[in-house]
Amino acid sequence: DIQMTQSPSSLSASVGDRVTITCRASQNISTSLSWYQQRPGKAPNLLIYAASNLESGVPSRFSGSGSGTDFTLTIDSQQPEDFAAYYCLQSYTSPRTFGQGTKVEI
Amino acid sequence: QVQLVQSGSEVKKPGASVKVSCQASGYTFSTYTIHWVCQAPGQGLEWMGWINAGNGNTKYSQKFQGRVTITRDTSANITYLELSSLRSEDTAVYYCAREVHRVTTWYDKWGQGTLVTVSS
Repeated sequence: DIQMTQSPSSLSASVGDRVTITCRASQNISTSLSWYQQRPGKAPNLLIYAASNLESGVPSRFSGSGSGTDFTLTIDSQQPEDFAAYYCLQSYTSPRTFGQGTKVEI
Repeated sequence: QVQLVQSGSEVKKPGASVKVSCQASGYTFSTYTIHWVCQAPGQGLEWMGWINAGNGNTKYSQKFQGRVTITRDTSANITYLELSSLRSEDTAVYYCAREVHRVTTWYDKWGQGTLVTVSS
């Protein structure tokens, strides 16, 4: 199985900060990586697909980069509604595997 | 618009089975794969399996193999997740998600989640 190591597991940020979250795959997954935001009590919501493509309707302050084994989600100028949990997901093969998640707190 | 609407919360006793449904609307049901993901309280997301809504092919996580069955009803555009031999550790929110296939794949729509509580 492909292991996804996501870091950090939590971080504290202020409104206006730039936030960076990373995911490392245990083997090459090309660009088969997506990012999801999950607010408390809600279903996950797609932010980035194919490593660097912004989902329609998602604010442009979110961006993704990387290929192969190393990937990054960046939030430029953190907004109050961005305080949530974030997960990466590899879809290169089954079983699909998620990163452990990053909780972004004020 | 594309929607996945799941069935309501369930409370089950250990050893019982639960069947959660995911009703799709707003797209051609048979042209997508539906995945199921679970999330224990305060924990992360865990993949359980998928079903190709067109041909009914399935694949399951080894962790749940033997206890999980994913089926679909193409006449009603519904996907089902059935989990048997429930134990307290299966207490979780269960999500269905639609997988988009392009050069790679991702989940573009999610159900609202179904809380299953396993308690004696």
